Amino acid sequence: DTEVTQTPKHLVMGMTNKKSLKCEQHMGHRAMYWYKQKAKKPPELMFVYSYEKLSINESVPSRFSPECPNSSLLNLHLHALQPEDSALYLCASSHPDRGSSTDTQYFGPGTRLTVL
Amino acid sequence: GENVEQHPSTLSVQEGDSAVIKCTYSDSASNYFPWYKQELGKGPQLIIDIRSNVGEKKDQRIAVTLNKTAKHFSLHITETQPEDSAVYFCAARPGANNLFFGTGTRLTVIP
Repeated sequence: DTEVTQTPKHLVMGMTNKKSLKCEQHMGHRAMYWYKQKAKKPPELMFVYSYEKLSINESVPSRFSPECPNSSLLNLHLHALQPEDSALYLCASSHPDRGSSTDTQYFGPGTRLTVL
Repeated sequence: GENVEQHPSTLSVQEGDSAVIKCTYSDSASNYFPWYKQELGKGPQLIIDIRSNVGEKKDQRIAVTLNKTAKHFSLHITETQPEDSAVYFCAARPGANNLFFGTGTRLTVIP
């Protein structure tokens, strides 16, 4: 099973709202990622968690707050977003060890976020 | 940091013809090169990958070649079918966990 699940599929929120995106995988992966993808663009890395610890933050604004409660779950908490934050938010997971034959990143279907 | 360039940005082929997408990378430390297919409204799906110790890899109608000296790698799809229509992204990984994506190629297979 190479499935990464994400909820919700779609989310519409106002600029003053607080919402959360959720991601789950049961492949035993210990690295999990958040990406942002704008229309007709490639995914842009936001955060990487390795063994439930934040290892990479690509200078993402503090209105995005990631959380990794356990090895299977990854959340992205959203607060005071701007309309330009509207995008497809993708979660991915992999084994974290460099050079491992199993370090392929598997992506979820994404959450389509619209900020009004 | 790593910079991945991808060409062409759009590609139209007749059903049954072959399609080739090319990528170049800049960081000689990159050692892993996956290709993803993304259909409308879906997340990227891994279709094939290659590591730096291999020059070519094939999986049915899909093949990838890697030239480490020239720092380029290519995706080859033979006997294209309408369901191959999608956006294809190449990527390179120079360090632990980081993937750097190309800008994408929109492939259209005309029945």
